[in-house]
Amino acid sequence: DQQVKQNSPSLSVQEGRISILNCDYTNSMFDYFLWYKKYPAEGPTFLISISSIKDKNEDGRFTVFLNKSAKHLSLHIVPSQPGDSAVYFCAATRSGGYQKVTFGTGTKLQVIP
Amino acid sequence: NAGVTQTPKFQVLKTGQSMTLQCAQDMNHEYMSWYRQDPGMGLRLIHYSVGAGITDQGEVPNGYNVSRSTTEDFPLRLLSAAPSQTSVYFCASSWGADPRVETQYFGPGTRLLVL
Repeated sequence: DQQVKQNSPSLSVQEGRISILNCDYTNSMFDYFLWYKKYPAEGPTFLISISSIKDKNEDGRFTVFLNKSAKHLSLHIVPSQPGDSAVYFCAATRSGGYQKVTFGTGTKLQVIP
Repeated sequence: NAGVTQTPKFQVLKTGQSMTLQCAQDMNHEYMSWYRQDPGMGLRLIHYSVGAGITDQGEVPNGYNVSRSTTEDFPLRLLSAAPSQTSVYFCASSWGADPRVETQYFGPGTRLLVL
């Protein structure tokens, strides 16, 4: 049972436009959400996170929105740059336990110059 | 500061062979873990360690053994490789257990093909 779902395997966006990556989750016990970015032949790197007590968190060009009632979160990248081309993983965790992070399947973003 | 390193980068095994995937970190992190990534699935936790001498099972531990004799190293052993273990393996480390306050740092991965 995939508790964290990224239904779009890929996304193409023109440079300078907004990229919106979506993520849905089913476990209502999740209280913290993370986004990781992964380049080919590299490991995932942490990008941005959000607590369930917030509905928005911003870090430069990256903003994550959380809609708890819909069990949905999204990552907005504005403006998109070619260097943003990567696979983005959504992840979720709950209080307690060692790094019990549940990852989504990833969305491959291509930013076209 | 090399971060998290993994060797080898790529390995081909025959069914039934054994091998050890190496992972090392130079950040003095207490917490280390192994994940596997398969097509159409997210990263899944295999085993983890909260410090030298302490290991525990994750979500998909069957077919894998780990040990943690030093803070720096956390090798993953496949005793008898099976085609189902064909995957990309990532090692990760962090200062602490809580992902809400402690970032996990991942290695570059080992791509394993079992024939």
